[in-house]
Amino acid sequence: GAVVSQHPSRVICKSGTSVKIECRSLDFQATTMFWYRQFPKQSLMLMATSNEGSKATYEQGVEKDKFLINHASLTLSTLTVTSAHPEDSSFYICSARDAAERDGYGYTFGSGTRLTVV
Amino acid sequence: GENVEQHPSTLSVQEGDSAVIKCTYSDSASNYFPWYKQELGKRPQLIIDIRSNVGEKKDQRIAVTLNKTAKHFSLHITETQPEDSAVYFCAASYSGGSNYKLTFGKGTLLTVNP
Repeated sequence: GAVVSQHPSRVICKSGTSVKIECRSLDFQATTMFWYRQFPKQSLMLMATSNEGSKATYEQGVEKDKFLINHASLTLSTLTVTSAHPEDSSFYICSARDAAERDGYGYTFGSGTRLTVV
Repeated sequence: GENVEQHPSTLSVQEGDSAVIKCTYSDSASNYFPWYKQELGKRPQLIIDIRSNVGEKKDQRIAVTLNKTAKHFSLHITETQPEDSAVYFCAASYSGGSNYKLTFGKGTLLTVNP
């Protein structure tokens, strides 16, 4: 089945530094990539939606200059958390939509990245 | 935008009993309703889904029902087992605008006691 590889699985960084998270679709082409943030004991909150080759669409309240998303190819999307602060510590997870799904409902989640900012 | 409400937030049942989790959605245009199971620190796993042209779907011990008029859908787990313990999320998707983004409920922590 469809697989999305997400790296790193865990990262600890110092406050003020930037962290890049990668999601790769291994055996399908991801037309759309969704990026979520999940705080402990909370739901998945959509941060942004990116389509290959175009700018990402950010949800209300998400700072586009802080969370940089690049979707340069149909198999790779990246999220960069810039100037990270302790409040950015969270579980970040991507979800790819398979371009081949005719009705559009093929979502595949990455394994998530636990970011801790110290 | 879409708003998905999920109840209860926690549910504790005895092994072998049934568990029911309910969700309501606000956008009548939503037409795809998946349910996910998430274990601590892991990715959500799709356990069952239903589309708006179907009222009920069953897969072994798991079933989902959809009432489009009332805009609510429910997850039913029968003969629960300890390994069913996890957080369950409902979601709704709107196919307008071609992005098909999912809106999640707040989740239900299900505990199955042996």
